[in-house]
Amino acid sequence: SQKIEQNSEALNIQEGKTATLTCNYTNYSPAYLQWYRQDPGRGPVFLLLIRENEKEKRKERLKVTFDTTLKQSLFHITASQPADSATYLCAFSGGYNKLIFGAGTRLAVHP
Amino acid sequence: DGGITQSPKYLFRKEGQNVTLSCEQNLNHDAMYWYRQDPGQGLRLIYYSQIVNDFQKGDIAEGYSVSREKKESFPLTVTSAQKNPTAFYLCASRAWDPDTQYFGPGTRLTVL
Repeated sequence: SQKIEQNSEALNIQEGKTATLTCNYTNYSPAYLQWYRQDPGRGPVFLLLIRENEKEKRKERLKVTFDTTLKQSLFHITASQPADSATYLCAFSGGYNKLIFGAGTRLAVHP
Repeated sequence: DGGITQSPKYLFRKEGQNVTLSCEQNLNHDAMYWYRQDPGQGLRLIYYSQIVNDFQKGDIAEGYSVSREKKESFPLTVTSAQKNPTAFYLCASRAWDPDTQYFGPGTRLTVL
């Protein structure tokens, strides 16, 4: 079955450093991947979408890469700030009608 | 404000009771979704609806029911047949270009 995996352990980094989160998938070749941010007790918020023919996508301090050979997407936050602390979810289209979400990786940025 | 609203934010249910979670959107999206989120797990799809008066089961539909009588509204009923209903429930609607989902603030359901 289609499966998507993210690091289950929290990522702790110092303010100003670059945070890198990993998303791996198996048994599927998605046309695109999405990344969402979720704060505690709230719904996810869409951040970025990257298509299979795009190697890299940027939005302000965010960068996403998509390696279809490795079946992996990396999500980078440069110059991280404590306000970036949240859980980050990746998702891919599991067919026409639905998205398949990873469990998310919690990021904690310390001053 | 445009977006998705869910109510209530917190809901407590006694064993054997049915409860209905509200989801409303004013984004004019055709597709709407209900997910369940448990600690340490990804979002799991309960039901989805592509158009009014039509809906399909997701991966964990047992013990749940939905209706889609209006484009703006997609309520979810958690029935007494759902054995472990305590969870965080999220409603979403879908835009197509780019393909993204807009989520509501969620309802946290606790069974007493």
